[in-house]
Amino acid sequence: EAGVAQSPRYKIIEKRQSVAFWCNPISGHATLYWYQQILGQGPKLLIQFQNNGVVDDSQLPKDRFSAERLKGVDSTLKIQPAKLEDSAVYLCASSPGTGNTGELFFGEGSRLTVL
Amino acid sequence: GENVEQHPSTLSVQEGDSAVIKCTYSDSASNYFPWYKQELGKRPQLIIDIRSNVGEKKDQRIAVTLNKTAKHFSLHITETQPEDSAVYFCAASKGSNYQLIWGAGTKLIIKP
Repeated sequence: EAGVAQSPRYKIIEKRQSVAFWCNPISGHATLYWYQQILGQGPKLLIQFQNNGVVDDSQLPKDRFSAERLKGVDSTLKIQPAKLEDSAVYLCASSPGTGNTGELFFGEGSRLTVL
Repeated sequence: GENVEQHPSTLSVQEGDSAVIKCTYSDSASNYFPWYKQELGKRPQLIIDIRSNVGEKKDQRIAVTLNKTAKHFSLHITETQPEDSAVYFCAASKGSNYQLIWGAGTKLIIKP
């Protein structure tokens, strides 16, 4: 079974530039999560989708971050304009959905450096 | 809102000894408590989880205990091995949407 795919793995941009990350979850997984993990910290949930609907985006800085999951499959996370404090690893995860074991399957992450 | 505190932030143990990592949570309605292991530069992976209707769960060398009254849960690793070196995260959630609140992580170092 293919895992969660993310791209790009690494991205370096200057502040005020924009960047987009892509995630393809495990086939059949209804729930998709985007997390931000700053070095030395635990993952922080940015947004959670159930199919193509948003379950929780309360911690998404909506003035600069946006995410979509068209057709309820893959997803993109965009940052525009980027700030220095956005330097982090952006982790995408998926799970089968409600009623499952609760296990999240993570991708390898996209490491963003903002200069 | 829910808050999860994790201690210690770093734990160094001799190979073969046991390691214990503790987490406390604030929301008494939390009912699902997973533990994830993240090796350096790798993705987090679930190693064990427990639900609020049980007090302990074991899987080979790892175990998790839950004290609902005190609102804390712990990860126990026995007979530690070099491959146990990693950052361990606890988390808590309630309801059916599995919106996890994560601890800050514990860096476990296994000394040879």
